[in-house]
Amino acid sequence: EPEVTQTPSHQVTQMGQEVILRCVPISNHLYFYWYRQILGQKVEFLVSFYNNEISEKSEIFDDQFSVERPDGSNFTLKIRSTKLEDSAMYFCASILRNEQFFGPGTRLTVL
Amino acid sequence: AQSVAQPEDQVNVAEGNPLTVKCTYSVSGNPYLFWYVQYPNRGLQFLLKYITGDNLVKGSYGFEAEFNKSQTSFHLKKPSALVSDSALYFCAVRDSGSGTYKYIFGTGTRLKVLA
Repeated sequence: EPEVTQTPSHQVTQMGQEVILRCVPISNHLYFYWYRQILGQKVEFLVSFYNNEISEKSEIFDDQFSVERPDGSNFTLKIRSTKLEDSAMYFCASILRNEQFFGPGTRLTVL
Repeated sequence: AQSVAQPEDQVNVAEGNPLTVKCTYSVSGNPYLFWYVQYPNRGLQFLLKYITGDNLVKGSYGFEAEFNKSQTSFHLKKPSALVSDSALYFCAVRDSGSGTYKYIFGTGTRLKVLA
């Protein structure tokens, strides 16, 4: 069964460094999403992406964040200058027929 | 604006007893409703969804949920709880009238099934 994959599973970085989180959505899906979950708390919407552009973003998704689909399969989330409060689980999802399929997540730890 | 409420931070139930995890929602259009389960240090695992049709929806692992439009609720239920059901449960809604596909998640309910 096809699934969404994410790499790395855990990323540790120093405050102020750039990180890129990678996702491979399910191949025939067209809408892609990033969500964030801080330490077992609420899952928060960050951004949605369709047809190679952002279709919606939350107030969390400020200028430090960007998304790209560089090669037609990968979908990346970049944080330019990480802050301590960016430490969280980041989930990628893709959608088909009203159902979102979530990846296993990347745990980002900012020291 | 769309929102989801899970009024209980934690639900404790004895193994073999029925369980209910509550969820209420607020949307402007028709709701698309979902339940996900999360085990420690794992991703979000889909349990069931309501899009249209029968109000009683059956999902994975013996879980079911009932869509109640008048009460704007979508409570998750299981007739007989297992210790292995202990996990964090999230309700989510998508507002079909909002022009957005994003999900809004509740704050989560931790289910503890006691042996």
